[in-house]
Amino acid sequence: DTAVSQTPKYLVTQMGNDKSIKCEQNLGHDTMYWYKQDSKKFLKIMFSYNNKELIINETVPNRFSPKSPDKAHLNLHINSLELGDSAVYFCASSQDDRAEQFFGPGTRLTVL
Amino acid sequence: SQQGEEDPQALSIQEGENATMNCSYKTSINNLQWYRQNSGRGLVHLILIRSNEREKHSGRLRVTLDTSKKSSSLLITASRAADTASYFCATTGTYKYIFGTGTRLKVLA
Repeated sequence: DTAVSQTPKYLVTQMGNDKSIKCEQNLGHDTMYWYKQDSKKFLKIMFSYNNKELIINETVPNRFSPKSPDKAHLNLHINSLELGDSAVYFCASSQDDRAEQFFGPGTRLTVL
Repeated sequence: SQQGEEDPQALSIQEGENATMNCSYKTSINNLQWYRQNSGRGLVHLILIRSNEREKHSGRLRVTLDTSKKSSSLLITASRAADTASYFCATTGTYKYIFGTGTRLKVLA
């Protein structure tokens, strides 16, 4: 059983397009996150959600819009993709904001 | 930037040797966690140490925490080729985990 799953695993698209990444966790956790990992492997938090409510928006451009239809899902929609958006995006979840996090396998986004 | 720093950035050792990596952070913390990332995969949690703890063990892992110096270290004893990965520390604040820059460990068989 996969604890945190993301789709798609790879995403290659042209500049200016809109794309979505889906994330689901079956751990019953209350808190979910999106991270961006750049080419230097720096991992930076983008959003934190608790019980479907946005808690942290870490100065992410408005082109990124997360949506949490229920506690088990946190999707990420990106409008007007730019070259600098190319990265690996990780979804994660945890029972609370201090507990260990469980990460998804990542989505490698390449913007051409 | 709030991002923590780890050193060394890269470490190459022989199988059977011990590996030590260090993490420094900038803010006050609830706890500090260490994660491993194999190439092309998501991060996996290794160990958590609370701010009132000084040392913790888990199998071949030993973590220390010095809150006065805002630093932590991860020791992997008797390393194996399968330990080859990147290792990250993460400090927790309110709904925010701040990850270090990572140490790339290579264990040579």
